[in-house]
Amino acid sequence: GDSVTQMEGPVTLSEEAFLTINCTYTATGYPSLFWYVQYPGEGLQLLLKATKADDKGSNKGFEATYRKETTSFHLEKGSVQVSDSAVYFCALLGNTGKLIFGQGTTLQVKP
Amino acid sequence: DAGVIQSPRHEVTEMGQEVTLRCKPISGHNSLFWYRQTMMRGLELLIYFNNNVPIDDSGMPEDRFSAKMPNASFSTLKIQPSEPRDSAVYFCASSLSEVAEAFFGQGTRLTVV
Repeated sequence: GDSVTQMEGPVTLSEEAFLTINCTYTATGYPSLFWYVQYPGEGLQLLLKATKADDKGSNKGFEATYRKETTSFHLEKGSVQVSDSAVYFCALLGNTGKLIFGQGTTLQVKP
Repeated sequence: DAGVIQSPRHEVTEMGQEVTLRCKPISGHNSLFWYRQTMMRGLELLIYFNNNVPIDDSGMPEDRFSAKMPNASFSTLKIQPSEPRDSAVYFCASSLSEVAEAFFGQGTRLTVV
């Protein structure tokens, strides 16, 4: 079945460092891909999305490119801030209509 | 729109009691998802509905769990009887279609003692 694998955390960075969180997926057909962010005590919020191969999703300085050849959707940000500290989830929406999440990666940014 | 609304936000109950979690999806959305989040297992999809019909309930852990969606604006997740291992945060999410992103509620933190 469909699945999503993320790099394990926690990831600890200094402010203004470069961020990469790896995400790979397994799915039949052509899923849509998403990154969600969860701040402490809150629900998940959509960060960005891509619906077809080679699409780049971007929001708030974060970017991810849908790579069909490597079945990947890595999240990147050029300069992280303390306020980016949160848990990040990669997800796919497959042709069955199921929205499947990775296990989440905790990011901690220190001043 | 107020977004996805879940109630209660917190629930503490004794083992063996029945628990009912409620969700009001965003108006006009026709897909609804129930998830459970724990430290050990992360975010698990329990069940999802499309046009009020359960499409996939393979994630429901056992017969003690049941979910209903009697109309487009309301869904419930019931646990009967509850057990301490059911303690988790339960999220409801809705989406406009089977190909669109989902919007999440704030979650219900359930503690079974």
